Amino acid sequence: QKEVEQDPGPLSVPEGAIVSLNCTYSNSAFQYFMWYRQYSRKGPELLMYTYSSGNKEDGRFTAQVDKSSKYISLFIRDSQPSDSATYLCAMALSNYGQNFVFGPGTRLSVLP
Amino acid sequence: GAVVSQHPSWVICKSGTSVKIECRSLDFQATTMFWYRQFPKQSLMLMATSNEGSKATYEQGVEKDKFLINHASLTLSTLTVTSAHPEDSSFYICSARGTTGGFSYEQYFGPGTRLTVT
Repeated sequence: QKEVEQDPGPLSVPEGAIVSLNCTYSNSAFQYFMWYRQYSRKGPELLMYTYSSGNKEDGRFTAQVDKSSKYISLFIRDSQPSDSATYLCAMALSNYGQNFVFGPGTRLSVLP
Repeated sequence: GAVVSQHPSWVICKSGTSVKIECRSLDFQATTMFWYRQFPKQSLMLMATSNEGSKATYEQGVEKDKFLINHASLTLSTLTVTSAHPEDSSFYICSARGTTGGFSYEQYFGPGTRLTVT
């Protein structure tokens, strides 16, 4: 079992749809959870991070963490064609300096 | 703020030659830099972690003699692919973590370097 799993997609949705992206993980010690967006042939950029369980909202984006289920989600409301990218989840342990573990990424296409 | 650059963005080299890729933090001091490689439609695979002024820590399976990493200053790290082979063709991405005042786990990624070995 991989440490972090993510449906690779591709996921195609019409413009304006609500998108749900998810990751599951096996290491219960993870404390920090991040979502990155990566456009084709570009480096990833951080969208949101969450510490421990709970929800966090930033504009059209909402991140949820359910540590009891080892499951995290990223919701995108009113999706736009510019949201078309690969979304990577990443996780880190509690100690500063630990490396991130990335999921394989989900390719999202928002169709106009 | 927190911009990371990489140079070159794309390089083609012949098999057996060496290639150097630079990673620079432009507006902050990067105490730690990470090097990743990414194959098409796959996720980021960490190759090594380097702290300024000390030797890099390589992930299991990564040949330290083939992928030379130097983190000589707080704003520059270099990755040299020695005696490159076609199977080394990949997208190499660096990231930097430092004293930006933001999220302490934040890694700022460079735009990546596409290496093609012929």
